[in-house]
Amino acid sequence: GQNIDQPTEMTATEGAIVQINCTYQTSGFNGLFWYQQHAGEAPTFLSYNVLDGLEEKGRFSSFLSRSKGYSYLLLKELQMKDSASYLCADYNQAGTALIFGKGTTLSVSS
Amino acid sequence: DSGVTQTPKHLITATGQRVTLRCSPRSGDLSVYWYQQSLDQGLQFLIQYYNGEERAKGNILERFSAQQFPDLHSELNLSSLELGDSALYFCASNPRGSHEQFFGPGTRLTVL
Repeated sequence: GQNIDQPTEMTATEGAIVQINCTYQTSGFNGLFWYQQHAGEAPTFLSYNVLDGLEEKGRFSSFLSRSKGYSYLLLKELQMKDSASYLCADYNQAGTALIFGKGTTLSVSS
Repeated sequence: DSGVTQTPKHLITATGQRVTLRCSPRSGDLSVYWYQQSLDQGLQFLIQYYNGEERAKGNILERFSAQQFPDLHSELNLSSLELGDSALYFCASNPRGSHEQFFGPGTRLTVL
């Protein structure tokens, strides 16, 4: 899969819920990743989905629909520290390398 | 701290020069991935090594080369540097059988 598409920017307020969407090409699909990256820092792993459905991990959940080539990352009870870039990624067709989207910059305000 | 180390943290050099970036994967990890992150292109996969052998190649320029040594550390060599090579260079590793990649802190390269 390649051609990952996600919104460039989003804003939200503390305590709110935000959903960051990602679409990808479905051919050769081998799994969908979400990473968080604070400005100037390394990306950190959030989730990996290979089956359809919602996976919850604390305040963060990730959803996948393979037939629609669609995923979203749901962030609940937003905190200021959640202000970061959120990168959606999938494997290349050979399943050997991650292809990242350009990321969604989330700004959380008080 | 991901356990992946990279040196140097910052590097400033001139066009036409050659630099070497170094990465040590997490203890026990055999894979090393190199990525380039620039403002306009996002995070781009360059190349992967596994236990000393090249495993996958991405958008790596011919002016760039890499290798992984017997102790599993890896070096990324960038030559004939251009202004457009200015970027953050990350390396990552993952445990065998795991899809989660752990990223190092990165090397910020500035080409003047």
